[in-house]
Amino acid sequence: DAGVTQSPTHLIKTRGQHVTLRCSPISGHKSVSWYQQVLGQGPQFIFQYYEKEERGRGNFPDRFSARQFPNYSSELNVNALLLGDSALYLCASSLSTDTQYFGPGTRLTVL
Amino acid sequence: GENVEQHPSTLSVQEGDSAVIKCTYSDSASNYFPWYKQELGKGPQLIIDIRSNVGEKKDQRIAVTLNKTAKHFSLHITETQPEDSAVYFCAATISGGSYIPTFGRGTSLIVHP
Repeated sequence: DAGVTQSPTHLIKTRGQHVTLRCSPISGHKSVSWYQQVLGQGPQFIFQYYEKEERGRGNFPDRFSARQFPNYSSELNVNALLLGDSALYLCASSLSTDTQYFGPGTRLTVL
Repeated sequence: GENVEQHPSTLSVQEGDSAVIKCTYSDSASNYFPWYKQELGKGPQLIIDIRSNVGEKKDQRIAVTLNKTAKHFSLHITETQPEDSAVYFCAATISGGSYIPTFGRGTSLIVHP
């Protein structure tokens, strides 16, 4: 079975731009969560979606938004990029809401 | 909100030794505690988890213990191997409902051959 997939693998943006990251969960998993991981730290929770509805939101500004599609894939959008948004963005999927399986991440660099 | 402290930040052991990583949490409502292993350039991989109705759980060379009274939980790796070298993260959350997991800052485990 394929694991969680994320695209793109890497991308470089400039300050003020917008970015969209994509995630496909493990087949059969209905929940997707997004995390930001800055170098040297643990993942920080951004959002969780279950059955296309937002189930949890971390302490991130409104520039961050997400959605889940009918096929359970998900997008994370970040507007007005700042240098501090440079990080590894991780997606995790789960059958319900707790036991999670992470994808390889998208490395975002903001210049 | 929940606060998770993880120690040590770096742990260096010889192959075959045991390794112990400890975490404490602040929210007594937390009831689900997963541990993840992250290798360079990869996403975290779930290696073991424990729920608050259990005091200990084992899976081959890996075990996790939970002390709800003291609000701490630990990862134990026995007979360490070089391929165990990675960064390990603990996390704490409330299972079900609004799910907002809090991760520790990570422990870099180095196993010397």
